[in-house]
Amino acid sequence: QSVLTQPPSVSAAPGQKVTISCSGSSSNIGNSYVSWYQHLPGSAPKLLIYDNNKRPSGIPDRFSGSKPGTSATLGITGLQTGDEADYYCGTWDSRLSAWVFGGGTKLTVL
Amino acid sequence: EVQLVQSGAEVKKPGESLKISCKGSGYSFTTYWIGWVRQMPGKGLEWMGIIYPDDSDTRYSPSFQGQVTISADKSISTAYLQWSSLKASDTAMYYCARNPGYYDTTGYEYFDYWGQGTLVTVSS
Repeated sequence: QSVLTQPPSVSAAPGQKVTISCSGSSSNIGNSYVSWYQHLPGSAPKLLIYDNNKRPSGIPDRFSGSKPGTSATLGITGLQTGDEADYYCGTWDSRLSAWVFGGGTKLTVL
Repeated sequence: EVQLVQSGAEVKKPGESLKISCKGSGYSFTTYWIGWVRQMPGKGLEWMGIIYPDDSDTRYSPSFQGQVTISADKSISTAYLQWSSLKASDTAMYYCARNPGYYDTTGYEYFDYWGQGTLVTVSS
């Protein structure tokens, strides 16, 4: 059972928009920065969003992040088949003194 | 170019010891933390612990404290994850990842570069 709750799966058609939620608490998301990772099968995880809403160099602006309170959201617009992957949120939990990941969300682009 | 290159896949028997490695290049190895992340088959990512190679300051997840040892040799820009007695339940993919830093108010930052992963299989 992950401390951060994500939906197990989401799906949308190519070209559409999807959002992935990450629900936490005051000891983690509410008190720290959230980052998001894309994990393609057979590859290493890749940083998509850091500090709640910043994109590393090379990440297209189709990917966005927000953090209202004790939850966070990853948005992906203009969906492409290459976006099919598992997506994880992550943050520091001060109560656990541990970095925590969400359970992951599998994105299917229909 | 920042790179983290991990050692190759391992097949071990229960009870055996193992040490896997993660070599950093393309940046100042001693000024970033290196974390280890486990992914068991069909499961999500789990943070195991983190080390600061400059002084070997190490923090463990409560879930992994006492189960593994994290170390680093800054002279060769390499971090390690080791087990003294493997179990079948240690079968997983293990990733190392770079973390820019820790702040008292907000904890550790994000993991910006990741190794390619080391698959560890423990089976009799």
